Amino acid sequence: DTEVTQTPKHLVMGMTNKKSLKCEQHMGHRAMYWYKQKAKKPPELMFVYSYEKLSINESVPSRFSPECPNSSLLNLHLHALQPEDSALYLCASSHPGQGGYEQYFGPGTRLTVT
Amino acid sequence: EDQVTQSPEALRLQEGESSSLNCSYTVSGLRGLFWYRQDPGKGPEFLFTLYSAGEEKEKERLKATLTKKESFLHITAPKPEDSATYLCAVTGTASKLTFGTGTRLQVTL
Repeated sequence: DTEVTQTPKHLVMGMTNKKSLKCEQHMGHRAMYWYKQKAKKPPELMFVYSYEKLSINESVPSRFSPECPNSSLLNLHLHALQPEDSALYLCASSHPGQGGYEQYFGPGTRLTVT
Repeated sequence: EDQVTQSPEALRLQEGESSSLNCSYTVSGLRGLFWYRQDPGKGPEFLFTLYSAGEEKEKERLKATLTKKESFLHITAPKPEDSATYLCAVTGTASKLTFGTGTRLQVTL
């Protein structure tokens, strides 16, 4: 099974709202990732968790707050977002290590900030 | 800094018309080169991993090859269902996935 699930599929939120994106995998992967993808652009890395610890933060604004409650779950908490944060948010997972393992992506959450 | 350049940006083929997509890369200490397929509004779907020059991988109508500077994704006798954006990505010593901007492939009847 190479499935990564993400909820919700679509999310519309105002600039003062607080919401969370959720991601789950059952492949036994110990590295999980959040990416942001704008239309007709490649995915941009936001955060990396390795063994449930945050290992990479690509200078993401603090209005995005990641959380890894256990080895199967990854959350992204959203607060006071801006319209330019509207995008497809992708979760991925892989075996941890030196970067030689493929990442498996979820279907994404389409976020619209109004 | 790792860099990936894909060409062409867009490619239109007729069904059965074979072609190749190019991915040129510069990376510090290649750990892996990856090909993904992405349909509109969906997450990338993993296709292949290549680790060293000379390596080749095949899956149905797709074949990926790797040299020290570039990778090719060969599509043999494509079908309309092969229409998608194909993304190439690399990881190096930074252990982060660096994507190219993709090739949008359209296969028509």
